[in-house]
This record gives sequence, structure tokens and C-alpha cells, in this order.
Amino acid sequence: GENVEQHPSTLSVQEGDSAVIKCTYSDSASNYFPWYKQELGKGPQLIIDIRSNVGEKKDQRIAVTLNKTAKHFSLHITETQPEDSAVYFCAANEAGTALIFGKGTTLSVSS
Amino acid sequence: GAGVSQTPSNKVTEKGKYVELRCDPISGHTALYWYRQSLGQGPEFLIYFQGTGAADDSGLPNDRFFAVRPEGSVSTLKIQRTERGDSAVYLCASSFRQGEAFFGQGTRLTVV
Repeated sequence: GENVEQHPSTLSVQEGDSAVIKCTYSDSASNYFPWYKQELGKGPQLIIDIRSNVGEKKDQRIAVTLNKTAKHFSLHITETQPEDSAVYFCAANEAGTALIFGKGTTLSVSS
Repeated sequence: GAGVSQTPSNKVTEKGKYVELRCDPISGHTALYWYRQSLGQGPEFLIYFQGTGAADDSGLPNDRFFAVRPEGSVSTLKIQRTERGDSAVYLCASSFRQGEAFFGQGTRLTVV
């Protein structure tokens, strides 16, 4: 089955800096890679996703890159703001299977 | 509301008791997932429904856990003979097509 590894487990940045979170996956059949943001006491919220036919996707300050050959994908947040502080999860799956999640990265943005 | 709804939001039960956790998915979503999240961990897959049938129940930890989705909409996760180790947040998500899973707020289960 799929296994997703996520790094780093914690990340502290100054407001305005960029933050990068990296994930690797094991199953070459996986073709969908979402990222979720989870705030305290809430369920995970989908923030951006990428499918295997695309190498990069951007949405305002957030971008995701995918390297299918190396089986890794990354989340990039630019111009970080205090409200970006949360736990971020990557996940992966192929059609017809459940999403498998990484262990999460706690991002702290200090002003 | 239009989101995934989970009830109750909190449940405290005594060891050995039976509990049911309910999930109302987004209308029209055919896929429904249950996950369990312990403190400081990522969501751990339990079971996945496509329509009324369980497409994958390989994540259920043992036979004390069971889930149903009789009409292809609402789902109930049932836990028999609860143990303290079952304490966690139970998350439900639904999706219309591959991926794009939307989560509810979760049910925090505490077994005392």
C-alpha cells in the first residue's frame, strides 16, 4: 500500500519569509496529491492539489510542485502571514483508493 | 450548511460501552471516508465507501469497529466494547470524484 513521508515535522519562519514542506510517496500508481491545512479543533481543509499530469500548480501565495520520477511533491508558501500558522498535511492516492496522509508539519509564522 | 456534518462533536463514554458516530456527507458525494486522528498525528485511514458498499475496510483496526452506509448517504461508525486506546478524533470526509475530499469537524471520542 501507499506510504507518505513528510518533512519537516515543525517549521518556524518570520512573517514575510517563504515556507517549504516536502513529501515523498511510495506507490508509483498514485496520481493525486492534495495538501490540507488544519487549525486547532477543526477538520483538515483542502488548500491546493495537483494531479500527475501537471508538474506545478499555483494559487496566489501557495504553489505545489510534483516530481513523479522521484516520487516527491512539495508545498511552497510565499510571503507568509501569521494566519498561515497551522498544521499542514500532504496526502496521495490513485483513483478508487483512499487518501493516505503524511504525519503533518506544524508551521509557526512569527510577526 | 453545505459541508460535511459529524455528530456528536464530542463523546465521552466508559470503557466497554458501545458508541455510534454519525457522518452526513455533502449532498451528491458518492465517496465517503472515515479516518482516525490521534494527537500530533496525521489522519489514519479506517474505511472507504463508494456508494453503499465498503470499497476498502483494510484500515479498521479490529472487529470491534464497523461502519455502514445503507442508503449511500449518511454513514455510521460503530465501536463495540470501547477501550481507552480508542480515544481520538474521528474524521469523516466525502468526495464526488477522485480526491477533493472535504472533511467534517470530527467527533472527539474520549473513553474513560
